[in-house]
Amino acid sequence: ETGVTQSPTHLIKTRGQQVTLRCSSQSGHNTVSWYQQALGQGPQFIFQYYREEENGRGNFPPRFSGLQFPNYSSELNVNALELDDSALYLCASSARTTAGELFFGEGSRLTVL
Amino acid sequence: AQSVTQPDIHITVSEGASLELRCNYSYGATPYLFWYVQSPGQGLQLLLKYFSGDTLVQGIKGFEAEFKRSQSSFNLRKPSVHWSDAAEYFCAVARDSNYQLIWGAGTKLIIKP
Repeated sequence: ETGVTQSPTHLIKTRGQQVTLRCSSQSGHNTVSWYQQALGQGPQFIFQYYREEENGRGNFPPRFSGLQFPNYSSELNVNALELDDSALYLCASSARTTAGELFFGEGSRLTVL
Repeated sequence: AQSVTQPDIHITVSEGASLELRCNYSYGATPYLFWYVQSPGQGLQLLLKYFSGDTLVQGIKGFEAEFKRSQSSFNLRKPSVHWSDAAEYFCAVARDSNYQLIWGAGTKLIIKP
């Protein structure tokens, strides 16, 4: 069983640029959630996708957007990067049958200069 | 609005000693509660969860947690810690039945030899 994989693991961007982060969910999981974890803080919920539709969103501006594909993999896109977007971005997949258990990838560390 | 508070940023415990990590939540209804562990270089892993029923829940790696509605708490315990337990521990509450999680800021556990 393949776990959740995220790419890239690290990247550096400059303010105003755009970034795309990718996530392959665990086999059999149809729900993907994205979280932002700033240094020294707990994760913050960005949004969730279920069967290719957005299924809930946290308190993040519209420049944070996402996609889920038919194979349940997902992308997180951030436009017009700001310095405060520097963080670890975590992807988690889950299945309705595993009642709240999220399986996390190791994250993509984004640094905005 | 839901919130989670972990009052201790760091806790240092001797190997073999008992452990209790505190978690308080704010939520209007019966919460879905979780403890996750984040080890260096690894993704977040679910230790245990509480949805309903028995207020003492058992998890992996010898951890347990007790839900106390009167105190709005969900403290994590382990009778004897091992050096491999050194990690950061996060308490979380689901904001709805889609398991979109609100997280505490985490408690870093340091093990003294």
